[in-house]
Amino acid sequence: NAGVTQTPKFQVLKTGQSMTLQCAQDMNHNSMYWYRQDPGMGLRLIYYSASEGTTDKGEVPNGYNVSRLNKREFSLRLESAAPSQTSVYFCASSGATGRYGYTFGSGTRLTVV
Amino acid sequence: EDKVVQSPLSLVVHEGDTVTLNCSYEVTNFRSLLWYKQEKKAPTFLFMLTSSGIEKKSGRLSSILDKKELFSILNITATQTGDSAIYLCAVEARSNAGKSTFGDGTTLTVKP
Repeated sequence: NAGVTQTPKFQVLKTGQSMTLQCAQDMNHNSMYWYRQDPGMGLRLIYYSASEGTTDKGEVPNGYNVSRLNKREFSLRLESAAPSQTSVYFCASSGATGRYGYTFGSGTRLTVV
Repeated sequence: EDKVVQSPLSLVVHEGDTVTLNCSYEVTNFRSLLWYKQEKKAPTFLFMLTSSGIEKKSGRLSSILDKKELFSILNITATQTGDSAIYLCAVEARSNAGKSTFGDGTTLTVKP
């Protein structure tokens, strides 16, 4: 099925550990995004990539890095995890016209202890 | 800074009721307003509105935008338990390269 695939679905980290969240889309979309969602809150943008080879900071970029590996893949890295990064992370992509909004991945539930 | 405020934050109704969810926004150089439905997992796209006064409709769901007063409403008629979800409103500015700013969402619970 076409869509956005995120891995892993769940992860528990100890404070200070690092990890990379993977995201891939097969819809030939130019733009890709990483959001986090905390309880009772909407989605907050971490980083985005308007096209292959470009990345930009969103609203809450501190503590994260990203790589747009190619048109399909956009990864999010936590270099030194902190409890404040406990959240649900969503990757999304959108096409050139944006007429159909974002297509989201199924999310990664990350707990930092 | 773009801003989206949704109300109410939560709502409990019974099957068959009609509900109206509200979204007000502030955005420089408005491009579009989007509604999403989020059940257990990822949000799914419902509507995109760009022009004032034109209703978008899909089954029992409809939405309309007022660009003068900077708000949108999402109506759900004859609610069903399957409508229980978080409804998210987002806005996109022309200069934002597709980035959307989301509200905190309205949690709708439909009881049998």
